[in-house]
Amino acid sequence: EPEVTQTPSHQVTQMGQEVILRCVPISNHLYFYWYRQILGQKVEFLVSFYNNEISEKSEIFDDQFSVERPDGSNFTLKIRSTKLEDSAMYFCASRAEMWGSRETQYFGPGTRLLVL
Amino acid sequence: GENVEQHPSTLSVQEGDSAVIKCTYSDSASNYFPWYKQELGKGPQLIIDIRSNVGEKKDQRIAVTLNKTAKHFSLHITETQPEDSAVYFCAASMTNFGNEKLTFGTGTRLTIIP
Repeated sequence: EPEVTQTPSHQVTQMGQEVILRCVPISNHLYFYWYRQILGQKVEFLVSFYNNEISEKSEIFDDQFSVERPDGSNFTLKIRSTKLEDSAMYFCASRAEMWGSRETQYFGPGTRLLVL
Repeated sequence: GENVEQHPSTLSVQEGDSAVIKCTYSDSASNYFPWYKQELGKGPQLIIDIRSNVGEKKDQRIAVTLNKTAKHFSLHITETQPEDSAVYFCAASMTNFGNEKLTFGTGTRLTIIP
């Protein structure tokens, strides 16, 4: 069964450093998302991406964050200058299309980011 | 924006008994309500979903009910088994305009007691 993959599984970085989290969505999917989950809290929406541009972003997704689909398979989340409060599990998700029974978002296993 | 409340935060049931988790949402425009199961160290996995044109949906031991008037939906797990132990999240979304961000509840840690 196709699945969303994410790398790395864990990332430790120093405050102020840049990190890039990578995702490979399911191959025929058109909509891509990043969510984050701070330890013990709910999953929160960060950004959605469709047709090579951001569709929607939350207030969390400030100028320090960016997303990119550099080729036909990868979808990346970059944090330019990490802060302590960026420590969280970051999930990538993808979805096939909008209509009918294709609303399901499939989540990857996550990248645990720890900012020291 | 949408706000989803979920109760209870923890739930322990004897193996074989039923478990019920309840969620409420605030935005009447929401029309898609998935339930995700999250096991330790893994990403959320969809277990069942329901759309606003349906009041109830069942898949083997799992069922979801939706009351649009009350803006309330519930997950029912019958004949619980140890492998049902996990954190369960409800979510709500508006599937009309192509973005469909999910707004999640705060999660319920379900423990099945053998």
